[in-house]
Amino acid sequence: EDQVTQSPEALRLQEGESSSLNCSYTVSGLRGLFWYRQDPGKGPEFLFTLYSAGEEKEKERLKATLTKKESFLHITAPKPEDSATYLCAVQATTQGGSEKLVFGKGTKLTVNP
Amino acid sequence: DVKVTQSSRYLVKRTGEKVFLECVQDMDHENMFWYRQDPGLGLRLIYFSYDVKMKEKGDIPEGYSVSREKKERFSLILESASTNQTSMYLCASTPGGWYEQYFGPGTRLTVT
Repeated sequence: EDQVTQSPEALRLQEGESSSLNCSYTVSGLRGLFWYRQDPGKGPEFLFTLYSAGEEKEKERLKATLTKKESFLHITAPKPEDSATYLCAVQATTQGGSEKLVFGKGTKLTVNP
Repeated sequence: DVKVTQSSRYLVKRTGEKVFLECVQDMDHENMFWYRQDPGLGLRLIYFSYDVKMKEKGDIPEGYSVSREKKERFSLILESASTNQTSMYLCASTPGGWYEQYFGPGTRLTVT
């Protein structure tokens, strides 16, 4: 069964304390991996797409990396405004040849000033 | 910027009522999606549509139907609302395929 697991479920950091969020996946036929940010009461906001192992993408204090089994979202010197839930999703091909998107349950990040 | 709007932010309905949730996107996107989001379960796909009048079941279609009469509008219908359909409903669109999905703000539905 295709699965996406995010860890930790929740993470508290002090402002400026760098850390990483993990997204591990077991899918066949990976087509792409997506990171989203979701603020409370709002819809997810797209951050990055990664397509192949070794690929990296950066945006401000965020950097996403991808290996064959997992992706990391590195947060460098976070600020309180980085507080949000970060979602990982994997686009996979089913045995029948159709595509689907599998979401992880998210990591809730809190950055304290 | 892509804008996806949903008809209501909050909705309260009674058990057995027929409920319509509407989603409109303004970027001529081909694909549209309906998800529900529940604590501890994450985002789950209900239905999606590749084109006008086309629809495909997602992971949890039971108790729901959809309508796409115009390219920009995708409606989710709860034929007879039940308390276990209390949830946050999110609409999304993409220009093609699954790619980067653009989400609306969500509708928090409570069924009493």
